[in-house]
Amino acid sequence: DTAVSQTPKYLVTQMGNDKSIKCEQNLGHDTMYWYKQDSKKFLKIMFSYNNKELIINETVPNRFSPKSPDKAHLNLHINSLELGDSAVYFCASSQDLRSGTGYSPLHFGNGTRLTVT
Amino acid sequence: GDSVTQMEGPVTLSEEAFLTINCTYTATGYPSLFWYVQYPGEGLQLLLKATKADDKGSNKGFEATYRKETTSFHLEKGSVQVSDSAVYFCALSDRTQGGSEKLVFGKGTKLTVNP
Repeated sequence: DTAVSQTPKYLVTQMGNDKSIKCEQNLGHDTMYWYKQDSKKFLKIMFSYNNKELIINETVPNRFSPKSPDKAHLNLHINSLELGDSAVYFCASSQDLRSGTGYSPLHFGNGTRLTVT
Repeated sequence: GDSVTQMEGPVTLSEEAFLTINCTYTATGYPSLFWYVQYPGEGLQLLLKATKADDKGSNKGFEATYRKETTSFHLEKGSVQVSDSAVYFCALSDRTQGGSEKLVFGKGTKLTVNP
């Protein structure tokens, strides 16, 4: 009954490969996010989607492409992986802040640790 | 841009000790402020929040007061337990857009409480 689940938990791959991380939420939220935590532990937003529409797109290389097949899923595909992509990637979800149901905090998954060798 | 600075860890305390984790922020306007906690093996979860100056957020014995004059939001607990061992993240809400909220996080402070 995990609220926000992401797979895989660990991902080790070589430079130049293409990989995907999947995220699913069963909370009925409209908004989903990807955050990246780098080696210095800074947690920074990458993308947000609201009901399958891209809302926030921070300065992220276009090798990163989020895809939202429906509002319960937000996958992250990374092309041509580089050493600097090694990080922990967190998926999160929240209710649409415009829904009028009060403040909705972000609910995070447990993270995917990506190591590029 | 907006930023959050919190004290470097790790912090190690004995059970029942007093806890303070400092957090200061830089922002234009008056952002909402948060503390998130990450227990071992889990995702981040909201611990408490404050939306305007002088507001005090509290939860599970933890408290933090929004101080506009010092741009601070320090986390405190009077008596920590072993179960409080976790990583604590201070954050501010930079903006909302299209129903999404952009949070800016500090680096996190790892707390270990020994019995």
